[in-house]
Amino acid sequence: GDSVTQMEGPVTLSEEAFLTINCTYTATGYPSLFWYVQYPGEGLQLLLKATKADDKGSNKGFEATYRKETTSFHLEKGSVQVSDSAVYFCALKGGATNKLIFGTGTLLAVQP
Amino acid sequence: GAGVSQSPSNKVTEKGKDVELRCDPISGHTALYWYRQSLGQGLEFLIYFQGNSAPDKSGLPSDRFSAERTGGSVSTLTIQRTQQEDSAVYLCASSLASYGRASGELFFGEGSRLTVL
Repeated sequence: GDSVTQMEGPVTLSEEAFLTINCTYTATGYPSLFWYVQYPGEGLQLLLKATKADDKGSNKGFEATYRKETTSFHLEKGSVQVSDSAVYFCALKGGATNKLIFGTGTLLAVQP
Repeated sequence: GAGVSQSPSNKVTEKGKDVELRCDPISGHTALYWYRQSLGQGLEFLIYFQGNSAPDKSGLPSDRFSAERTGGSVSTLTIQRTQQEDSAVYLCASSLASYGRASGELFFGEGSRLTVL
């Protein structure tokens, strides 16, 4: 079945460092891909998405490119801030289902 | 507010008791999802409702778990004869009708934390 694998955390970075959180997927057909973020004490919210190969989703300085050839959707940010500290979830939605399948989440801690 | 509302926010119960968790979705959202978030386990899909269609119950872990959605709005997740392994945060999410690839934004509530002693 469809699945998402993302790098385990926690990831600890200093402010202004470069961030990469790896995400790979297994799916039949052509899924849509998403990154959700959960800030401390808040509910999950959509960060960015891409619906077809080579699409780049971007928001709040974060980017992720849908790579069909490597079945990946890695999250990147050029310069992280303390306020980016959160848990990040990679997710996919297959074309034939309305079920959103999530990875296990990656905790990011940014230190001043 | 206009977001997804869940209650209770925290529930402590004894093993063997039944619990009910409630979700009020965003008005106008026809799709409603329940997920379970356990430490180190990510988000586990439980059940999905879409309009008047039969719900997708494929993620319910056992027959002790059930959910209903009345009038296409409020949903209740019921866990009978709770076990310690049921301890988790139960998340509800809603979305507009989500057919096709160009969809999938779910709006989540803050969850109901269940602790089974």
